[in-house]
Amino acid sequence: GAVVSQHPSWVICKSGTSVKIECRSLDFQATTMFWYRQFPKQSLMLMATSNEGSKATYEQGVEKDKFLINHASLTLSTLTVTSAHPEDSSFYICSVKAGVKREQYFGPGTRLTVT
Amino acid sequence: GQQLNQSPQSMFIQEGEDVSMNCTSSSIFNTWLWYKQDPGEGPVLLIALYKAGELTSNGRLTAQFGITRKDSFLNISASIPSDVGIYFCAGLPLNDYKLSFGAGTTVTVRA
Repeated sequence: GAVVSQHPSWVICKSGTSVKIECRSLDFQATTMFWYRQFPKQSLMLMATSNEGSKATYEQGVEKDKFLINHASLTLSTLTVTSAHPEDSSFYICSVKAGVKREQYFGPGTRLTVT
Repeated sequence: GQQLNQSPQSMFIQEGEDVSMNCTSSSIFNTWLWYKQDPGEGPVLLIALYKAGELTSNGRLTAQFGITRKDSFLNISASIPSDVGIYFCAGLPLNDYKLSFGAGTTVTVRA
């Protein structure tokens, strides 16, 4: 399967600042990546679909101006949380769609804490 | 995607016991995936199923794609302490790449 990395693994930032999270597909060229968030003891919630070379598609209720997604290459997608607030504190996980197999492989996640 | 019905929500089992969990959907899926998530980590793909009726094993894990295409189950045989974690089912309909997830089954193994 695809190997996916995320950076950083955890980050603490102050309210009002912006934070960038990177998702890399290490052994697979990914035209499509997905960004999820997960609150404690809950399932994964899809935030957006990141498409290489085009605009991301956001799920209903997710503010595209707050969660900026850039997928500039086949191996890298970034999620920037702008003007972060404590309620944005969560576990953010990306995944890669492994071509025609329709499987998704997840990164290790990034724990964001906004103080 | 929709929220799938996954049960049980949690289970406490003795080491060596078999574990069974299942997932149902109100709509048809063409792919069923089972993941395990350890605390503070991303989900890891355990088994992928692509055909109705398919039965697939991965070591002590066995999963089946229901004939109706609206359900799937996962069995863990002879559980060991490292089986502790949260298991998620996920489904994909035809012509869509957005996963629908179950709420997860938390497995705790008593030594």
